Amino acid sequence: DAGVIQSPRHEVTEMGQEVTLRCKPISGHNSLFWYRQTMMRGLELLIYFNNNVPIDDSGMPEDRFSAKMPNASFSTLKIQPSEPRDSAVYFCASSLWEGNTEAFFGQGTRLTVV
Amino acid sequence: QQPVQSPQAVILREGEDAVINCSSSKALYSVHWYRQKHGEAPVFLMILLKGGEQKGHDKISASFNEKKQQSSLYLTASQLSYSGTYFCGTDSGNTPLVFGKGTRLSVIA
Repeated sequence: DAGVIQSPRHEVTEMGQEVTLRCKPISGHNSLFWYRQTMMRGLELLIYFNNNVPIDDSGMPEDRFSAKMPNASFSTLKIQPSEPRDSAVYFCASSLWEGNTEAFFGQGTRLTVV
Repeated sequence: QQPVQSPQAVILREGEDAVINCSSSKALYSVHWYRQKHGEAPVFLMILLKGGEQKGHDKISASFNEKKQQSSLYLTASQLSYSGTYFCGTDSGNTPLVFGKGTRLSVIA
């Protein structure tokens, strides 16, 4: 397996534009997580899915953020409209389930909103 | 709630030892340790489960004190390759990991 695959690796966009980040988890993993990493706050959990169902989205900062997992092999995180304070590295991770198992991280998407 | 890591940063010379601490205000079922090199994704090091023994591989080991809700990561005889940011992630029982802000470790020759 190629691991967790995220795209794009880098995204630069203007304030107000819509941004869509993509993630392909490891085949067979039942849990998928979206994290945001900044210097100030570290790795923050935004939302996670079990068996394609969103379980907890309390970490999503605002209504501008939304995430979907239409099937077991694909998830998106959308920001609309984007703002400069959304600039961060966004990681997707997957694991067998949400608890005490190893989480595998994708390479991340570095988002810059100007 | 985010676990607290200490120290925030540490600089070591090759061969020196370091301890990184992680504490939580919540009861924990497991603690995970990850290392992230600059510009890369976090990489899993080890899991410590409630009731489990101390874990380790090579010269990196960790302990988990369930009663104190604390874990420590021990790096002995550090190597240049140990440089990076170390994160603890805590799990309160079938919950996703909540990560601390990380400890930046720099090993110099």
